[in-house]
Amino acid sequence: DVKVTQSSRYLVKRTGEKVFLECVQDMDHENMFWYRQDPGLGLRLIYFSYDVKMKEKGDIPEGYSVSREKKERFSLILESASTNQTSMYLCASQRQGARETQYFGPGTRLLVL
Amino acid sequence: DAKTTQPTSMDCAEGRAANLPCNHSTISGNEYVYWYRQIHSQGPQYIIHGLKNNETNEMASLIITEDRKSSTLILPHATLRDTAVYYCIVYRSGGYQKVTFGTGTKLQVIP
Repeated sequence: DVKVTQSSRYLVKRTGEKVFLECVQDMDHENMFWYRQDPGLGLRLIYFSYDVKMKEKGDIPEGYSVSREKKERFSLILESASTNQTSMYLCASQRQGARETQYFGPGTRLLVL
Repeated sequence: DAKTTQPTSMDCAEGRAANLPCNHSTISGNEYVYWYRQIHSQGPQYIIHGLKNNETNEMASLIITEDRKSSTLILPHATLRDTAVYYCIVYRSGGYQKVTFGTGTKLQVIP
């Protein structure tokens, strides 16, 4: 089975802190994604990566950056956390191809005070 | 990518079939219809997908209309554990996939 793990289930940070959210997948998938999920807004794509060191902006990239130095690891970085970045963050991975499903991690619930 | 429209919420009695509709009227010929669900506090989970034929697996059935502008996910015998948010999305074929999830349908299975 595909396993996608995220470094923390719950995280509390202060405004202005730099925050790293880590995601690791064990199935050699090419594509990896970061979403945030907020009540009433569904899942919104922040960034995705289709290869090592490659990244593409999603629908809401402002205030975020990403890093993919190794194929199995995709990091989301909040350079200076703000209260409006309080959210559930979900990572997903996917084999590259037309019909491949996305596999999601358990999510990280981030609270920025 | 085609946009999908789903009802915000639905109820279903336990043991009955749950039929969740999805409208994707702008779907193009190379786009697949996918269904995921998200149980509270967990990441979304894949259920089923199809192109133009009806599909069935151990979790659900997917009925796609002949014109492909809408589909229905069927959970044949809903249980309380099927209470979740169900997302209908479409993937375009080729290259990497930028997938847009909408707000989904909140299915409440009632005892």
